Amino acid sequence: GDSVTQMEGPVTLSEEAFLTINCTYTATGYPSLFWYVQYPGEGLQLLLKATKADDKGSNKGFEATYRKETTSFHLEKGSVQVSDSAVYFCALSPFASGSRLTFGEGTQLTVNP
Amino acid sequence: GAVVSQHPSWVICKSGTSVKIECRSLDFQATTMFWYRQFPKQSLMLMATSNEGSKATYEQGVEKDKFLINHASLTLSTLTVTSAHPEDSSFYICSGPPAGRVQETQYFGPGTRLLVL
Repeated sequence: GDSVTQMEGPVTLSEEAFLTINCTYTATGYPSLFWYVQYPGEGLQLLLKATKADDKGSNKGFEATYRKETTSFHLEKGSVQVSDSAVYFCALSPFASGSRLTFGEGTQLTVNP
Repeated sequence: GAVVSQHPSWVICKSGTSVKIECRSLDFQATTMFWYRQFPKQSLMLMATSNEGSKATYEQGVEKDKFLINHASLTLSTLTVTSAHPEDSSFYICSGPPAGRVQETQYFGPGTRLLVL
């Protein structure tokens, strides 16, 4: 079946540091890929998505590129802020953005001033 | 973005009792809602898919008689944990796409934390 593997956390960075959170997946066909963010006490929010190979999703300074050859969708940000502290989930859907999701384990990010 | 609420946000109950969790889409209609369970430091696992006006679809290994799901209206889906036991203690999260916009996005509730003593 489908699966998503994220780098283990937690990750602690200083403000303005570069962020990479690795995500790899296993799926049949051509899934859509997502990054969700969960701030304390809130529901998961879509951060960015890519629906086909070589697509780059971007939002709020975060980027991720759909790499079919390496089955990866790594999340990057050039300069993190304290407000980026949250839990980040990589996910895939075999169908559409509003369909069932398979999630990675989640990565807790803490950014210190 | 659209809002999904869950009630209660926190519940503590005794072993053997039943607990109902409500998931409401406040500003959109949803013909489908997904119910996930998240154990500490683990990923979200899909439990079931509720469909308005019809029976829910359960994932393999999820007991349908224990986790009763009802989707009685386009804005409300409920999950009832029957005869709860300590191993049912978890974080339950619902999500759903706005009707007619499955290709676009879905919205998540803030979750309900259940502790069974």
